[in-house]
Amino acid sequence: ETGVTQTPRHLVMGMTNKKSLKCEQHLGHNAMYWYKQSAKKPLELMFVYNFKEQTENNSVPSRFSPECPNSSHLFLHLHTLQPEDSALYLCASSQGWDGNEKLFFGSGTQLSVL
Amino acid sequence: DQQVKQNSPSLSVQEGRISILNCDYTNSMFDYFLWYKKYPAEGPTFLISISSIKDKNEDGRFTVFLNKSAKHLSLHIVPSQPGDSAVYFCAAPSTQGGSEKLVFGKGTKLTVNP
Repeated sequence: ETGVTQTPRHLVMGMTNKKSLKCEQHLGHNAMYWYKQSAKKPLELMFVYNFKEQTENNSVPSRFSPECPNSSHLFLHLHTLQPEDSALYLCASSQGWDGNEKLFFGSGTQLSVL
Repeated sequence: DQQVKQNSPSLSVQEGRISILNCDYTNSMFDYFLWYKKYPAEGPTFLISISSIKDKNEDGRFTVFLNKSAKHLSLHIVPSQPGDSAVYFCAAPSTQGGSEKLVFGKGTKLTVNP
């Protein structure tokens, strides 16, 4: 079992669909993150959860809605997305959050919005 | 404005030779840097880090050099192997709005030819 597991690996959705991305970490970490990687752009931090509490919302549009029911699970609920939201969405976890913590990433969900 | 810059989108090297990946940063307050490596269809994985109190950190074939006066760091891989072919991201913790977040460069795609 890998440390951080993301499902699905690939997702194609229409602009009117509602879907959810799931992330699970098996490392006993306390912080979880959603990152977005668009083509030819740096990894962009979207959300941070520390001990299940959201501590960062990096000016992300409301069509992205995170949920962290416990320190091992993280969801990203998607609705009425735009084609420009097509990207690789990466989940990550770390033991704590002091900026110097190493992040452990999942394999990502490659999202295409039609 | 990008705080961490990787100006070379790609690099091609012959097996056995040295690979040098470069990273520049703009914020002189950065005091810790990380390199992540990403294979296709996988999430980034931590490779090596360096604190600003050092100018060099070595781990096997991988060495990171830090030049604080030039705000420049580089990752050296020697000897390069075909399995090193991946995208390499430079990152640094940045304090923004009272919270710390990891900022990434756009990445450099390294291809090691047999």
